[in-house]
Amino acid sequence: SQTIHQWPATLVQPVGSPLSLECTVEGTSNPNLYWYRQAAGRGLQLLFYSVGIGQISSEVPQNLSASRPQDRQFILSSKKLLLSDSGFYLCAWTRGQGVSEQYFGPGTRLTVT
Amino acid sequence: AQSVAQPEDQVNVAEGNPLTVKCTYSVSGNPYLFWYVQYPNRGLQFLLKYITGDNLVKGSYGFEAEFNKSQTSFHLKKPSALVSDSALYFCAVRDHSGTYKYIFGTGTRLKVLA
Repeated sequence: SQTIHQWPATLVQPVGSPLSLECTVEGTSNPNLYWYRQAAGRGLQLLFYSVGIGQISSEVPQNLSASRPQDRQFILSSKKLLLSDSGFYLCAWTRGQGVSEQYFGPGTRLTVT
Repeated sequence: AQSVAQPEDQVNVAEGNPLTVKCTYSVSGNPYLFWYVQYPNRGLQFLLKYITGDNLVKGSYGFEAEFNKSQTSFHLKKPSALVSDSALYFCAVRDHSGTYKYIFGTGTRLKVLA
């Protein structure tokens, strides 16, 4: 069966510090991968998605970036965090072929102080 | 442009009563529609989807949704609500513009009162 992991689960970082969040998927190949941010327990904002290694589509670039160094690994990064980067970050995957539901990871709670 | 609307921020229902969480959509072409549930500090969990076929779709935890093409709606329903159904519910549509994006509604908080 497929599983999706995210780490860390929680993170407290000062303004101006770098960020690296990691997401990995097990039990499937060639998934489409997604990064979302959720503020205040409400709507989801799509940040990046990827349909293959090295292929990144950016929806809200700002000061965040994403990379996909391996088929089942998706990394969200920032060189300098802003207070507004605080939120709940969710990684998700879908099957690469056809139309399927998304499967979400457990999320990372980021607080920028 | 594709869009999804969840007109209610919050829905309150008494335990044992039927519940409905509303969703309307706007897409070009055939809609691919999804419902997800989110419990506090957790990721979203898939409940059900409509791709094609029967208008009444059954999903996890006793939930079902009715696809109505003429009203462009995909309302989530359950015949008898449980207190444990209290959570945040999201409707989503798969983008048809050649990308692999999913467009989410703003979410509806369901409160089931004992």
